[in-house]
Amino acid sequence: EVQLVESGGGLVQPGGSLRLSCAASGFTVSSNFMTWVRQGPGKGLEWVAVLYRGGGTKYADSVKGRFTISRDDSKNTVYLQMNSLRAEDTAVFYCARDPPETGHDAFDVWGQGTMVTVSS
Amino acid sequence: QSVLTQPPSVSAAPGQKVTISCSGSSSNIGNKFVAWYQQLPGTAPKLVIYDNNKRPSGIPDRFSGSKSGTSATLGITGLQTGDEADYYCGTWDSSLSAYVFGTGTKVTVL
Repeated sequence: EVQLVESGGGLVQPGGSLRLSCAASGFTVSSNFMTWVRQGPGKGLEWVAVLYRGGGTKYADSVKGRFTISRDDSKNTVYLQMNSLRAEDTAVFYCARDPPETGHDAFDVWGQGTMVTVSS
Repeated sequence: QSVLTQPPSVSAAPGQKVTISCSGSSSNIGNKFVAWYQQLPGTAPKLVIYDNNKRPSGIPDRFSGSKSGTSATLGITGLQTGDEADYYCGTWDSSLSAYVFGTGTKVTVL
C-alpha cells in the first residue's frame, strides 16, 4: 500500500527547532518530487517546500532560510528541519508525493499530518 | 494572501450540481496545469482532479475539471452528503517559483 506517515510534531518555544519526518512505503521517495504543505488553525493550505529527484530544493518565501527539506534514501524518508520557529509557523504539516504521473503538477498521496505548535 | 481566488462557499441539494471557480493569472493558471483537492473535516487533503481535467484512480466521474484562460472550474454532479468538504485548487506559479493553493471553498449539501 502506498502510504506516507509523518512524525516529529509537538510543542516548541519561539526561536526553537524541530525536525519532522515523513516515512514512505509502497513507493520510492527518490523517484518522485516530495513536498511539505502546512495548514494553520482554521486556515487554508500553504505550500512549504519541495525536494526534487536530483536533490534540488525550493522553498516558500515565508520559510526560506529557516526550513530545510532533505531525504534519506536508505530509510525512504523525507525530513523537514525547522529552525527559528515563530508563532505563525503553528500548523498541521503534511508530507505529500508529487509524482511524474501527474506531470509534477499535483500531489497524489498525502500523509495524515503532524501538528506543530510554537508557543511559550 | 493567496494568488488564486475561490468563492468562500457553495451549496446545493442532494443530487444537484455545484461548480467552484478558481481565478488566477498568466503566471499560474494561464500557463500551468491545475489540480483540485478535497479536504473532508479533520482529514488530510485528497487529490480529485489533476492536469485540469483528469481524475485519479478511484475518483468517481461525478467530479470534473475544466480550464479556460486564467480560470479553472471544478464541477460536482449528483451531490452527496459525503461530498461536504473544503475544496482547494492548486498550481505552480512561475513568478513566485512556488506552488500556490486557492483560498478554499466549503461545499454544503442542503
